[in-house]
Amino acid sequence: DTGVSQDPRHKITKRGQNVTFRCDPISEHNRLYWYRQTLGQGPEFLTYFQNEAQLEKSRLLSDRFSAERPKGSFSTLEIQRTEQGDSAMYLCASSSMDTYEQYFGPGTRLTVT
Amino acid sequence: QQPVQSPQAVILREGEDAVINCSSSKALYSVHWYRQKHGEAPIFLMILLKGGEQKGHDKISASFNEKKQQSSLYLTASQLSYSGTYFCGTEGMNTGFQKLVFGTGTRLLVSP
Repeated sequence: DTGVSQDPRHKITKRGQNVTFRCDPISEHNRLYWYRQTLGQGPEFLTYFQNEAQLEKSRLLSDRFSAERPKGSFSTLEIQRTEQGDSAMYLCASSSMDTYEQYFGPGTRLTVT
Repeated sequence: QQPVQSPQAVILREGEDAVINCSSSKALYSVHWYRQKHGEAPIFLMILLKGGEQKGHDKISASFNEKKQQSSLYLTASQLSYSGTYFCGTEGMNTGFQKLVFGTGTRLLVSP
């Protein structure tokens, strides 16, 4: 079991550019979550997938954000036309239907200049 | 609503005990506890489900009072490795999945 992995670990981009992050969950986990965390705060829920279906999306997620999980395995989170306020750590977590524990990946730190 | 954690920060000497509290204004189904070190991902500690059970492993335990919608994390005989920020994540009733709302965090520093 290799744990949840995320790529890239760090991303610096200029305002207005598009960025895409990838998350690979623990292999047998069919539930996948994206969170955003800013300095000094706890993670904030963004969206949830069960297998390939996106079942919930936070109101925090503007229409510039889109997430996919095409085959129920890895997931991508894309931010279009980035703004400075998008600077944060983007965390991915996964869990199985049988247990409740969510395991987090190392995160992608986004800096928008 | 975001659960409220107290205290906001704790400084301990190695071997001392600490209690971290998490309170919600909403009815809860479960409470999840995580520890996060600076620049790292949150690490899962334990989960408490509706039913008021108490759990623990090693020198870390937790309780969940569903009547008060409160959970407490107990750190006994603290070690240097316990330093970090502790977050509770709460799951409301009838969400259908573990949509966690994380608390404000408690920063713990254990010194030698």
